[in-house]
This record gives sequence, structure tokens and C-alpha cells, in this order.
Amino acid sequence: KAGVTQTPRYLIKTRGQQVTLSCSPISGHRSVSWYQQTPGQGLQFLFEYFSETQRNKGNFPGRFSGRQFSNSRSEMNVSTLELGDSALYLCASSARTGGNYGYTFGSGTRLTVV
Amino acid sequence: DQQVKQNSPSLSVQEGRISILNCDYTNSMFDYFLWYKKYPAEGPTFLISISSIKDKNEDGRFTVFLNKSAKHLSLHIVPSQPGDSAVYFCAANDGSGNTGKLIFGQGTTLQVKP
Repeated sequence: KAGVTQTPRYLIKTRGQQVTLSCSPISGHRSVSWYQQTPGQGLQFLFEYFSETQRNKGNFPGRFSGRQFSNSRSEMNVSTLELGDSALYLCASSARTGGNYGYTFGSGTRLTVV
Repeated sequence: DQQVKQNSPSLSVQEGRISILNCDYTNSMFDYFLWYKKYPAEGPTFLISISSIKDKNEDGRFTVFLNKSAKHLSLHIVPSQPGDSAVYFCAANDGSGNTGKLIFGQGTTLQVKP
């Protein structure tokens, strides 16, 4: 079956702009989590959605937001981009919520802010 | 603060030998631990996990050991193969039960030499 699909794979934006990233989970998976990976901070949890509800949120400013649709697809939005937002953004899906269940990651969206 | 730590940024071993990757954590409420492998330009791939009620879990060449009193876990790969060369992340569930928030270590780059 198809894996977790993230679009676009690469993105270049200018400081101050906003960006929307998309994640299509594995069919049947209802939980979607987002992570930011940077060389200095490693993988950091952004938020998790389950059945269109945000279940948990990481320690990121309000410029980072997300949502989940009824078909479990998820989007995350970053407004007023800063240079420090340059990172690999990873989406992961699971059939159920909770760290006890294996999360499958997508290949990520590489965002570069210039 | 870094609740999950992988103190060795890199490890180099010879093909056929054992690779041991270490991970320390600070939060005694963590109840589930996972290891992920990541190749460049790909998302992390789930390898193996362990519940806090166990001290060992084995899957083929991969074995994870958990020492709760020391708040330490390790991943053993035997025998190591060149295809195992990747970045390995240790992750923990934050213990809140029903959320998929994973807290990752900084990663260890494993190089297996032929």
C-alpha cells in the first residue's frame, strides 16, 4: 500500500512569507503527527491530529499551525517565515494515536527560507 | 532540556561485528521507547521498540535493551552490514498515554565498513 506522501518535496520561500505543507497518511491511518528536523535541534514534535482534532502540541510559536481533514489528510502552515524555519518537515501517520503504535514517516518537505 | 540523549554523534564498526548504539533519558514517566533509522533524503524508518515493562526485545539482527534504573537503553545490531550505515534515532513516548508525541534524541551516525 502507498506510504505517507508529503508535498512538495522541496520549497524555497522568502522571509516574511507563509507556507502550507501537505501530508497524505497511509490509507486507514487516522493519526498524523508533524516534526521539524534541524541540524542543531534534531527532530522536534510540532503537533498531532487524530480524527480532525489536535491531540497534542509541541513547544513552537503560534506561527506554526495545522489542521486535519475528514479524509485524514493534514496540512501545516507557517506564517511570517523566519530564516530559522529552514528545516526538514516530517509527517508521520499511524492507525491509532499513542506512541505505542508504530508511526510511519514520509520523506519530508525540505523548506528553505531566504 | 534534552530529555532523550544520544551522546555519541557517530560510530564506526567493521562489517560482521556488533554495533551498539546508546541512548539515555531523564523522564521516568516514559513508558515506550523506539528506534528509528534514517537515510539521507528519506524519512525515519521504524526499527524496533520496547515497552517499559520489558528489559529486552529482539527482532532478527536487532536487539534493544532497557535498563530502567539507569534510564538507559541500547540498540545492538549483530552482525553489522554496510547497508546498516545510516543515522539512528532513539525516541520515547512522553508517558501521557494517549498522544503520539515522540521525543527524539539527536541521532547517532553509524558507519559500517566493508
